[in-house]
Amino acid sequence: QVQLQQSGPGLVKPSQTLSLACAISGDSVSSNSAAWNWIRQSPSRGLEWLGRTFYRSKWYNDYAVFVRGRITISPDTSKNQFSLQLNSVTPEDTAVYYCARDISARLEYWGQGTLVTVSS
Amino acid sequence: EIVLTQSPGTLSLSPGERATLSCRASQSVSSTYLAWYQQKPGQAPRLLIYSASSRATGIPDRFSGSGSGTDFTLTIGRLEPEDFAVYYCQQHVGSVSTFGQGTKLEIK
Repeated sequence: QVQLQQSGPGLVKPSQTLSLACAISGDSVSSNSAAWNWIRQSPSRGLEWLGRTFYRSKWYNDYAVFVRGRITISPDTSKNQFSLQLNSVTPEDTAVYYCARDISARLEYWGQGTLVTVSS
Repeated sequence: EIVLTQSPGTLSLSPGERATLSCRASQSVSSTYLAWYQQKPGQAPRLLIYSASSRATGIPDRFSGSGSGTDFTLTIGRLEPEDFAVYYCQQHVGSVSTFGQGTKLEIK
């Protein structure tokens, strides 16, 4: 059974970097069939896919256009986890952030969600 | 970027009735990469249907999906009290995923 456990701060100041981690059990971040995603949800914008990382003989990333340039999703094979970094945050980045595993783009396993508030 | 438009925004039905939810894409989507999710308050979304019509593990057979191209449908055959929730469609084309804005299924 795959489980995803999120960690990271719930409050970030404007212009700073949002950092979250997602620890994986029951699978490997280096899986050749899975991809590891970050998604966020806010009342004003609904569910927004942010991006993913995956390994297919080498590491790849896909990012949503609206966060490209501000986002980094990276694997940590030593800890079997992956992380999200979102730079230069504003209050509009306030949301519940989820990590999720996809196989063939279906998001079957999700983390518990982390409410991140951007405020001074 | 493909935009998914779900309708109706809110659907009011009674337990035992049949629910039909629509998801329309701004351009053609491969059925292989069209999924439906259910979300209840305070919970993460749960995968219901993938590849447009395949039920995920443990999903009751009253849930079914259909469609192709730009028009997809989620049908709930006979509503149970636990089915009242928000439903989202999601697609993945190229290297980008997007979600619809959701349909809220509420008890009439």
